[in-house]
Amino acid sequence: AQSVTQLGSHVSVSEGALVLLRCNYSSSVPPYLFWYVQYPNQGLQLLLKYTSAATLVKGINGFEAEFKKSETSFHLTKPSAHMSDAAEYFCAVSSNSGYALNFGKGTSLLVTP
Amino acid sequence: KAGVTQTPRYLIKTRGQQVTLSCSPISGHRSVSWYQQTPGQGLQFLFEYFSETQRNKGNFPGRFSGRQFSNSRSEMNVSTLELGDSALYLCASRLAGTERIETQYFGPGTRLLVL
Repeated sequence: AQSVTQLGSHVSVSEGALVLLRCNYSSSVPPYLFWYVQYPNQGLQLLLKYTSAATLVKGINGFEAEFKKSETSFHLTKPSAHMSDAAEYFCAVSSNSGYALNFGKGTSLLVTP
Repeated sequence: KAGVTQTPRYLIKTRGQQVTLSCSPISGHRSVSWYQQTPGQGLQFLFEYFSETQRNKGNFPGRFSGRQFSNSRSEMNVSTLELGDSALYLCASRLAGTERIETQYFGPGTRLLVL
C-alpha cells in the first residue's frame, strides 16, 4: 500500500521566513502526490499535485514542491511566509486502487509576526 | 461554479442512532468520495461513488454505507452510532473525465458529534 509520512506535526516560522514542510512517501510504483491545505472550519484545498510531468511543481499562493525519487520525498516550500499561511497542511498519495487518497497526519503551520 | 456543498454542517446524535449526511458535487462532476477526519486517525478514505456505483471502499465497518443518485448527489449513512464516529466527514468531487489524475475538490464538511 502507498503511504506518506509528514515529519513534524507542528512547524513555527516567522513572517517572511522560508516555509519547509516535509513529506516522505512509500510506494512500490510511481506515486501521484498531493499537498492540500485546510483552514479552520473549512474543507481541504489543493495546493499542488505531482503527476510525473515535472519534478518541480508550482502551486497556488507561492508554494512549490520538489519530487525526489532518490530520497522518496515531496517537501513543500514557500520562500516567504505570510500570516495568512497559518493552517493545517496535508500531504497525500493516490492509492493503488485508484483515486482514493491516503493522507499524512498533517502539519500545523504557525506564522509569527 | 458553486463548490461542493454538504448538509448539514453540524449534527449531534446519541449512541445507537443512525445519521445521513448529504453531499452535492460541483456541477458536472460525476465522482464523489467521502473521508472521515478525526484527531486520532487523521483523514481516512471511506468510499467513492461513480455513476451510482461504489467503486472503492476504505477499511470501515459495514455500518458505514453510501449511495449516489442519478444527479451525482451522494449520501452517506452511519447506523448504530458509536462515540468513536464523532468526526468531520468530508465529501470530495471530481470530474471523472479523461485526465489520468484529477483534482478532488472538497466540501466544508459535516461535523458529527455522538454523545
